[in-house]
Amino acid sequence: AQKVTQAQTEISVVEKEDVTLDCVYETRDTTYYLFWYKQPPSGELVFLIRRNSFDEQNEISGRYSWNFQKSTSSFNFTITASQVVDSAVYFCALSEADSGNTPLVFGKGTRLSVIA
Amino acid sequence: GAGVSQTPSNKVTEKGKYVELRCDPISGHTALYWYRQSLGQGPEFLIYFQGTGAADDSGLPNDRFFAVRPEGSVSTLKIQRTERGDSAVYLCASSQRLAGVSGELFFGEGSRLTVL
Repeated sequence: AQKVTQAQTEISVVEKEDVTLDCVYETRDTTYYLFWYKQPPSGELVFLIRRNSFDEQNEISGRYSWNFQKSTSSFNFTITASQVVDSAVYFCALSEADSGNTPLVFGKGTRLSVIA
Repeated sequence: GAGVSQTPSNKVTEKGKYVELRCDPISGHTALYWYRQSLGQGPEFLIYFQGTGAADDSGLPNDRFFAVRPEGSVSTLKIQRTERGDSAVYLCASSQRLAGVSGELFFGEGSRLTVL
């Protein structure tokens, strides 16, 4: 069964610090997709990234970067030079695809507070 | 509007009552998902539709929960004989295809249900 674990419940950093949000997943499928979503105080989940299981190349988008390591079943998310606007709850999610794409399973989220 | 629209944004009801929550997806999106999010938790899958049919309703907690999408666009989540444990934010999302392929679910802001 698929499972996503975000061990960090809450993280608090001072503005301009770098911060890494951890995500560990479990799946028996060889084909799957990993996602990160941001949920600001307004409540609407915002898509950040999707990565398929065959692409382990790390990705950078502005201040955001993602480190996918199949060997440790992890898909960690780093924010460089954090800003107050980064304060939100961040969710990692998994969709299995060997037998057809399954709906996303989310972790419990990590609440990030960036203090000015 | 351009995004996923959910109504009502807030619903307070009494134990035992019937409630309906409505979701209007992004025009042209064939896949529609319902998730439930309890305080401090990640979104929990309930049901998804591909067109008019429920492709997977394995997440519905019991037979008090039911959802329809009669014309392949707007969907209604129906909860009978509400219980206090049903209190949560109900999130709706849509995508052009199954999320694992299209890569992105577009979420609404949710309907917060409080059962007294």
